[in-house]
Amino acid sequence: EVQLVQSGAEVKKPGESLKISCKGSGYSFTSYWIGWVRQMPGKGLEWMGIIYPGDSDTRYSPSFQGQVTISADKSISTAYLQWSSLKASDTAMYYCVRRLIVVVPAADAFDIWGQGTMVTVSS
Amino acid sequence: DIQMTQSPSSLSASVGDRVTITCRASQSISSYLNWYQQKPGKAPKLLIYAASSLQSGVPSRFSGSGSGTDFTLTISSLQPEDFATYYCQQSYSTPIFTFGPGTKVDIK
Repeated sequence: EVQLVQSGAEVKKPGESLKISCKGSGYSFTSYWIGWVRQMPGKGLEWMGIIYPGDSDTRYSPSFQGQVTISADKSISTAYLQWSSLKASDTAMYYCVRRLIVVVPAADAFDIWGQGTMVTVSS
Repeated sequence: DIQMTQSPSSLSASVGDRVTITCRASQSISSYLNWYQQKPGKAPKLLIYAASSLQSGVPSRFSGSGSGTDFTLTISSLQPEDFATYYCQQSYSTPIFTFGPGTKVDIK
């Protein structure tokens, strides 16, 4: 079964650092981009950035550039999302996603989603 | 940047109703439009990609249409398990992906 399994919920204080993970299984991890999507409480979906584990090519949404770091360790089929200094406004559910690129018809979508990691930042 | 809008933002419908949700892009995105369904407390699920292609395992009562700037998601006969929030997403300007604000479908 193709799946992405994320690390568990986190409760942190403002200013602390954090790294959450997303482990892929059931497919060739190095052949698909992995992205991250934020969902703040009661709000919609926001695309944060994406990485190609095969060569670590990484792209960020302008809204998140410089705010987070996306990385991957292909030896253990795991992608990461990290913060160096959390803020209360980082409180959200974070989903990792697999990017599906189809040639015919031409398409580019997120076909597999992790279960989500809830991050709560509070003093 | 490409902006996505959806209408309505919410709707109430009954089981068996035909439901249509509209998504509009601020510029032409060809057919690079995807639809996702999210149920409360769950991760989103891909329903339709490339504007009209049904993802594997998705019931045939879901369909998508459109190209350019205007798109629709139609549920031909609403089922109890379809009450959820639906998001459109453009993938024309990759690696920038933009989601619409969502449409919540609840029970009348």
